[in-house]
Amino acid sequence: DAGITQSPRHKVTETGTPVTLRCHQTENHRYMYWYRQDPGHGLRLIHYSYGVKDTDKGEVSDGYSVSRSKTEDFLLTLESATSSQTSVYFCAISDQTDTQYFGPGTRLTVL
Amino acid sequence: GNSVTQMEGPVTLSEEAFLTINCTYTATGYPSLFWYVQYPGEGLQLLLKATKADDKGSNKGFEATYRKETTSFHLEKGSVQVSDSAVYFCALTPNTNAGKSTFGDGTTLTVKP
Repeated sequence: DAGITQSPRHKVTETGTPVTLRCHQTENHRYMYWYRQDPGHGLRLIHYSYGVKDTDKGEVSDGYSVSRSKTEDFLLTLESATSSQTSVYFCAISDQTDTQYFGPGTRLTVL
Repeated sequence: GNSVTQMEGPVTLSEEAFLTINCTYTATGYPSLFWYVQYPGEGLQLLLKATKADDKGSNKGFEATYRKETTSFHLEKGSVQVSDSAVYFCALTPNTNAGKSTFGDGTTLTVKP
């Protein structure tokens, strides 16, 4: 199994509070991704990174920001959480082969 | 933009039945195609993939063939087991940008004994 961890695994927060989710890899893969998974929508890409300090937006990036200061860490921040951001968040990594390896997910509830 | 359309679920089969989950895509060029599987409470994991036209990906009895002419990548298994119950996702990655993958909505498969 690819070495990917996500923290926290579960979080409950209130509307308007900032939230940061962390993804950590031990595989030294170049690409890292953040997705959200919602019923009826499959997986939707929020942001991805193709190197340290190199990031780009996905299809649902509004309300989210990311940072990658080290190869192994990719942070997703919700500056001011809203109820519509209640979801399961998955981090993934990939190398040149395109296959993505997924973390275990973080279940976020915004009340 | 790119898109992936999967057969809607849920799909319920009896053990040892034949499985087909349809997947069609829209993309420019020659993307790589994937099937991922997600078991309850877990992240997605690769089931199989194909990187060029007419390639067949296979794993654990599952197969899918990259059909450029019909822009399809249908998943098949000859005899399903209860342990195959999961959500299956079809996905593509453009050969020009590994960061811009697109996933289908997922198909939930339940296999009954």
